[in-house]
Amino acid sequence: EIVLTQSPATLSLSPGERATLSCRASQSVSSYLAWYQQKPGQAPRLLIYDASNRATGIPARFSGSGSGTDFTLTISSLEPEDFAVYYCQQRSSGWTFGQGTKVEIK
Amino acid sequence: EVQLLESGGGLVQPGGSLRLSCAASGFTFNNYGMNWVRQAPGKGLEWVSVIDAGGVNTFYPDSVKGRFTISRDNSKNTLYLQMNSLRAEDTAVYYCAKEQGFMRPFDCWGQGTLVTVSS
Repeated sequence: EIVLTQSPATLSLSPGERATLSCRASQSVSSYLAWYQQKPGQAPRLLIYDASNRATGIPARFSGSGSGTDFTLTISSLEPEDFAVYYCQQRSSGWTFGQGTKVEIK
Repeated sequence: EVQLLESGGGLVQPGGSLRLSCAASGFTFNNYGMNWVRQAPGKGLEWVSVIDAGGVNTFYPDSVKGRFTISRDNSKNTLYLQMNSLRAEDTAVYYCAKEQGFMRPFDCWGQGTLVTVSS
């Protein structure tokens, strides 16, 4: 089973700052990695698929990169609505999620 | 507009059973694989099951294998999750989620339904 490890667990930043979130896979997942955003009381929302493709309607300030075992989600300039929990996801014998990174207001 | 609406959650005793439903609209249901994902209170996301577009192939993680059964009725645009032998650790919000395409990430999620397993 492939394990996804996200870091840091919590990221404390101010609006306008750049956020860099990491997701590491225990073995290669090629480019089959997705990122989701979840706000309190809401369902997750797909942000990025295939490591670097933005989903429909996702602002350009969100970008993804990486392949193999190391992936990054970057939010270039945090907006107030971006403070949320972010999960990475991979497919291999089913689906697995990372444990999440909370982006909180500093 | 693509919509998924879960129902069937509630309070059930340990060892009991429950069936969740997910009514889909706004897309051609029988063209897409569907999943259930759960989230225990204050915890992260855990994938629970997947079924392909035709309802033939299903997969589960070890945590629910043999206890949960995913199914679908394409004539009713509805996804189901039959949960048996429920345990306290199955307490969670259960989401249904639509795949983008075959074995693709989930581009639409329902609002979730809460299942509480407690005596």
